[in-house]
Amino acid sequence: DGGITQSPKYLFRKEGQNVTLSCEQNLNHDAMYWYRQDPGQGLRLIYYSQIVNDFQKGDIAEGYSVSREKKESFPLTVTSAQKNPTAFYLCASSPRGHNYEQYFGPGTRLTVT
Amino acid sequence: QKEVEQNSGPLSVPEGAIASLNCTYSDRGSQSFFWYRQYSGKSPELIMFIYSNGDKEDGRFTAQLNKASQYVSLLIRDSQPSDSATYLCAVDTGGFKTIFGAGTRLFVKA
Repeated sequence: DGGITQSPKYLFRKEGQNVTLSCEQNLNHDAMYWYRQDPGQGLRLIYYSQIVNDFQKGDIAEGYSVSREKKESFPLTVTSAQKNPTAFYLCASSPRGHNYEQYFGPGTRLTVT
Repeated sequence: QKEVEQNSGPLSVPEGAIASLNCTYSDRGSQSFFWYRQYSGKSPELIMFIYSNGDKEDGRFTAQLNKASQYVSLLIRDSQPSDSATYLCAVDTGGFKTIFGAGTRLFVKA
């Protein structure tokens, strides 16, 4: 089955710890994205990548980092510099990125205390 | 700043009725428009996309686009309780970024 997987589904961390969220896709999509969703708000773009070994900051990149070493994988690290990391994190991919629809993984709910 | 605006709702309709969800956007250069459905606690699911002015129909769903008015809408015919969800409007502004609205909550009463 083709799709996007994110792990884990729920993640709990102590304040001050870095944490990495996994995102894998087997759709052969070129573009991948990371969004953050807070209650009652829309999706906000953290980082996006159009091709392997290249990525750009989105609207709220501070406190986050990514890598794109393989086409299938786009992990997101939430660092201790992120002031309010508790949120629902969504990974998405699209065939090319420009003017193409995005498909979402199931999401990771991160809670930092 | 480029924006996508939606009424947060909730929009409540009886089962079998037509639900009409609306969205406006600020960037006249926007080229692609998407509707996603998001159930509580789940990730967004693509319902429809539309690129050209006019209507696009897919089953019970119809997307309508009016670029002159910077307005896009989603009609759901014969609404079912299973359609109860938050509907996100998304706009691709042509810069490799898609802007999402905050969503409209729809409640279909049985």
